[in-house]
Formats: sequence, C-alpha cells, structure tokens
Amino acid sequence: KNEVEQSPQNLTAQEGEFITINCSYSVGISALHWLQQHPGGGIVSLFMLSSGKKKHGRLIATINIQEKHSSLHITASHPRDSAVYICAAYTNAGKSTFGDGTTLTVKP
Amino acid sequence: DTGVSQDPRHKITKRGQNVTFRCDPISEHNRLYWYRQTLGQGPEFLTYFQNEAQLEKSRLLSDRFSAERPKGSFSTLEIQRTEQGDSAMYLCASSLWQDGYTFGSGTRLTVV
Repeated sequence: KNEVEQSPQNLTAQEGEFITINCSYSVGISALHWLQQHPGGGIVSLFMLSSGKKKHGRLIATINIQEKHSSLHITASHPRDSAVYICAAYTNAGKSTFGDGTTLTVKP
Repeated sequence: DTGVSQDPRHKITKRGQNVTFRCDPISEHNRLYWYRQTLGQGPEFLTYFQNEAQLEKSRLLSDRFSAERPKGSFSTLEIQRTEQGDSAMYLCASSLWQDGYTFGSGTRLTVV
C-alpha cells in the first residue's frame, strides 16, 4: 500500500462540471501539497496546506488532519484544467512522498 | 528572478559514464530539493538541502548519486557509472521554508 494514495486515477469531465480529486496519506505530515503537471510541461505548486481550506480562483483544497485526507476541487472546469494533479505529503524534514497523480481530462 | 533553472534540459549518455546536473534556485529560497520522475509515475524524493546543509537523503539515492549545494545557492546532482535504470526526468525545486514552492523544468536523462 502506497503511503500516499490518490483517487480516481483518471477522470474525464465535461466543461463546467465540478471536479473532486481525493488524496489519502498514512504518514505524518507538516503539510499536504497539491501540484499540477501539464503534458510535457513542468510542475506547478497549487497549494500547501496544513489545516482547513485554501482557495485560489476556481481551485479549492481542503484537508482533514484527523482522517488523513485531502481533496482538491475545481469549480466550473475548463479544458485548460486538463492536467495531472499530484498530491504529496510534506514532512518537517523537507521530504515529500508523492501520489501517482490523477489524470484529468476536461472536454469542451 | 526567472524562477528555478536547470541545466541541461536534456542529456543522453552512455551506460557507465558520469553525468552532472545543475540547479539554480530562486535566490532568496533557503530550501532546495531534488526529485526523480519516470514516465507515468509521480515524482520521487531524492534529497533536500536547507542552505548548504544536506538534511535528508532518500534510500533511493545509492552510492552512485551525490548532491552538493556548496554555498547555499546553486546545487549539483552527480550520477556516477550511469545505468539504464537511471533514465528519468530529474527535477529540482526550491522554497523559502515551506512557501513559494517552485519547480524547475527538469533535466531529462537518457542512458543508452
């Protein structure tokens, strides 16, 4: 069992739909990191959160420390949101353990 | 500041050769990280520096791998006696403590 698990592995949505990607972790963390990776492109940090909720534009990330679970939500999804979304458990020691990513495809 | 720079972008090397990659982080960032990513997988943590000190090192980093950050600015990652299994994208990232986390574009290594 991976220390960081994401679901679903693949997700296809229609433009405008509300998207949820889930991340569960079994390691102790200081923060949970959400990343976005476009095909052939670099990795962009979306959120680093240790409690509660963060919002940036149409993206919302939540974390439940007791349940060791985080979710990334995308409201009013758009084809340009198509990418791989990766969560990572970040420790105080600076080490990150990554999930295998969720491939999101948003169709127009 | 143009972000995190990695050099070279691509490297093709013969098995058994040594290779060295360079990462220039964002200047005010004190933390620098190296990761490896193979196709279809999430990144794997390799090592991490806080200023010039290497504070954490993955078990993935065999004796053939070494990383330095001599003056707390740029970092190098060297792989000695490369093997085909070393073929991957090598990613560098930097942050100021846990803030402003920024990835470089990576160095793609192909060992033939």
